[in-house]
Amino acid sequence: GAGVSQSPRYKVAKRGQDVALRCDPISGHVSLFWYQQALGQGPEFLTYFQNEAQLDKSGLPSDRFFAERPEGSVSTLKIQRTQQEDSAVYLCASSLFGLAKGHEQYFGPGTRLTVT
Amino acid sequence: AQTVTQSQPEMSVQEAETVTLSCTYDTSENNYYLFWYKQPPSRQMILVIRQEAYKQQNATENRFSVNFQKAAKSFSLKISDSQLGDTAMYFCALVVGSQGNLIFGKGTKLSVKP
Repeated sequence: GAGVSQSPRYKVAKRGQDVALRCDPISGHVSLFWYQQALGQGPEFLTYFQNEAQLDKSGLPSDRFFAERPEGSVSTLKIQRTQQEDSAVYLCASSLFGLAKGHEQYFGPGTRLTVT
Repeated sequence: AQTVTQSQPEMSVQEAETVTLSCTYDTSENNYYLFWYKQPPSRQMILVIRQEAYKQQNATENRFSVNFQKAAKSFSLKISDSQLGDTAMYFCALVVGSQGNLIFGKGTKLSVKP
């Protein structure tokens, strides 16, 4: 079966541009997470959805970051007025169940964003 | 606050040998889960092994096993009979039961040499 997919795989944006990153989770997965991975670092949590509800957005670094999952499947992470410090790999992960019991998260290949 | 620390930025091992990657963590919660994820070069992050904190028995998955020392808050990964395909970044991660997101360490870059 298909895993988690993300598009685009690579994105170059000029500082100040808006970008939209897409995540297609595994079909039927309830939970969806976004993480930001800076070069040479471990991923850091951005936001969490359970179906269409955004239950935790405590990791979003600024109000320029916005995420949605309107129908409980595909999710989009939008970054407005990109800055150089936004350059990173953005990872999406999905999990079959909700938050209980620390179930496995399945990761997508990531979108590498470079802001010039 | 929860933290995960991996003190070995890079390690190398000869093919067929055994290597141990270290991880310590900190949380005040009693209900949590620990994971080791593998991120091969230019490939997706995949789960290697998972441990529930309430289980005393150490998890094993084929050549991969953990040494979970709850009192010491230590969670090391042992890879036996290392293979070239084990070359990757390895991340230790924590999930606290009241939340759901993974908290990652900075990773250990493992190179398996022929």
